[in-house]
Amino acid sequence: DGGITQSPKYLFRKEGQNVTLSCEQNLNHDAMYWYRQDPGQGLRLIYYSQIVNDFQKGDIAEGYSVSREKKESFPLTVTSAQKNPTAFYLCASSIGAGASGNTIYFGEGSWLTVV
Amino acid sequence: AQKITQTQPGMFVQEKEAVTLDCTYDTSDPSYGLFWYKQPSSGEMIFLIYQGSYDQQNATEGRYSLNFQKARKSANLVISASQLGDSAMYFCAPLRSGAGSYQLTFGKGTKLSVIP
Repeated sequence: DGGITQSPKYLFRKEGQNVTLSCEQNLNHDAMYWYRQDPGQGLRLIYYSQIVNDFQKGDIAEGYSVSREKKESFPLTVTSAQKNPTAFYLCASSIGAGASGNTIYFGEGSWLTVV
Repeated sequence: AQKITQTQPGMFVQEKEAVTLDCTYDTSDPSYGLFWYKQPSSGEMIFLIYQGSYDQQNATEGRYSLNFQKARKSANLVISASQLGDSAMYFCAPLRSGAGSYQLTFGKGTKLSVIP
């Protein structure tokens, strides 16, 4: 089945540790995105990538890093510089980011809890 | 920054009845589009319906339709014949343009509860 796979679903980490969230898609989409969701809130954009080896900061990029070495993969690293990393993280993809009609599809999300 | 307003934090609807979820937004971008997503308690975001700003007719997808009023910058989601499985959070998400691409901006959502 085609789709977006995020792993792990649940992740616990100690404060001060870096953690990497995986996102893989087999939809042959060029654009990929990372969003953060806090309880009772909408989603906020962390990073996005329109093409391999290129990515741009979103609204809340501080304390996060990404890479886009392969079209199908867009991992997100939550670094120790992120002051409040506990949240629900959603990865998404679309055919392209350059047109307003391209539907953006989401993975099932990853819950990160920092203790 | 683009502002999206979903004025109903929570709503209740009787099963088989119709319900309207409100969404207003501000944008100066003339070529925007707007999406609605459903988020059940499992957390995944499910695409429901899309409205292009230049579309002449309101978008419809099965039981979902949009009451799109471009001049008022509102795009209310209408769910007809509500089902128990419709209980979820619903997010309005207009597109905003920047750096040669489009990204979604999300409202805070409306929690819909369908009563048997």
